Amino acid sequence: GEDVEQSLFLSVREGDSSVINCTYTDSSSTYLYWYKQEPGAGLQLLTYIFSNMDMKQDQRLTVLLNKKDKHLSLRIADTQTGDSAIYFCAESSGYSTLTFGKGTMLLVSP
Amino acid sequence: DVKVTQSSRYLVKRTGEKVFLECVQDMDHENMFWYRQDPGLGLRLIYFSYDVKMKEKGDIPEGYSVSREKKERFSLILESASTNQTSMYLCASSLSTDYEQYFGPGTRLTVT
Repeated sequence: GEDVEQSLFLSVREGDSSVINCTYTDSSSTYLYWYKQEPGAGLQLLTYIFSNMDMKQDQRLTVLLNKKDKHLSLRIADTQTGDSAIYFCAESSGYSTLTFGKGTMLLVSP
Repeated sequence: DVKVTQSSRYLVKRTGEKVFLECVQDMDHENMFWYRQDPGLGLRLIYFSYDVKMKEKGDIPEGYSVSREKKERFSLILESASTNQTSMYLCASSLSTDYEQYFGPGTRLTVT
């Protein structure tokens, strides 16, 4: 079945850029999503990218998609302590529910 | 804004009790989902529903059942709670099964 992989942990300093990576196996993916989960809360949709796009920018967030390598990344510019959270990558292939990665915990230190 | 609410943020139940977790969405979404989230395991889909009275098993349905009598409401039922069902339970809704999902705040269930 489909699989989505993420590294488990990333630590950065405040003001640096963060890059969270994700790989997926389903070549028929149509949409790819990034969610953020703050401690004790549900998941919040951050952004998404359609599979025929290479890049999408939304304020401090940049999503890059390499469809050939099935690699997705989320770059957060000027990372703040409030960005500390778990970030989930998810993909959909048009005929099934979303498949989520296990999440990357981002820790931002002052 | 889509709003998904869950009946409780925290719940403590005893082994063997019947437990009801309720979820309500206000966006007229066709699809609703129940997940559990455990450290190191990510999100695991328990059940989902694509219409009133319709349900589909997810990856880990054993020990759970669901009910969807109205479009806006999706209930997760633990028929006889066990300690290995201690977890964070997340409800979500979406317009279509492959579209973005909107999540509730979660219910942290402890079974003692």
